Amino acid sequence: EAGVAQSPRYKIIEKRQSVAFWCNPISGHATLYWYQQILGQGPKLLIQFQNNGVVDDSQLPKDRFSAERLKGVDSTLKIQPAKLEDSAVYLCASSLGTAKETQYFGPGTRLLVL
Amino acid sequence: AQSVTQLDSHVSVSEGTPVLLRCNYSSSYSPSLFWYVQHPNKGLQLLLKYTSAATLVKGINGFEAEFKKSETSFHLTKPSAHMSDAAEYFCVVSVTGTASKLTFGTGTRLQVTL
Repeated sequence: EAGVAQSPRYKIIEKRQSVAFWCNPISGHATLYWYQQILGQGPKLLIQFQNNGVVDDSQLPKDRFSAERLKGVDSTLKIQPAKLEDSAVYLCASSLGTAKETQYFGPGTRLLVL
Repeated sequence: AQSVTQLDSHVSVSEGTPVLLRCNYSSSYSPSLFWYVQHPNKGLQLLLKYTSAATLVKGINGFEAEFKKSETSFHLTKPSAHMSDAAEYFCVVSVTGTASKLTFGTGTRLQVTL
């Protein structure tokens, strides 16, 4: 069974530029999550989708971050414009969808903002 | 509100000796608790999870954890460390009925020496 796929694996940009990350969840998984992991910290949930609807985006900085999952499968997370403090690993995870289901994580995208 | 505190940011053990990674949780409701492991440049992998069944939970690679409500603890143990266990370990809490919203601890880096 293929795992959660993410691309790119690494990205370096300058502040005020824009960047986008892509995630393809495990086939059949209805719930998709984006996390931000700053160096030395645990992952923090940014947004949670159930199929193509947003369940929780309370910690998403909506002035600069956006995410979509238009067809209920893969998803894109965008940052525009990027700030230095956005340097982090962005993790995508998926689960079957019901409460207490195990979340399966992708390898992450490491972003460096200069 | 829910949270976890990982009491050690870094633990070093010799190969073949026991491993103890400590975690305390705080939750207003019945929690689900997890341990995830993160190897360098790889995604987070679930080691084990507690969801109100048996208090002693066995996971992959010889790890286990015991849920102690009176102590609000969920420490991770392994009888004999292997070099391949060197990684970052995260204690995670989820509140029952909140559609798998995970709150991560800050992580414990496990170093295994010869």
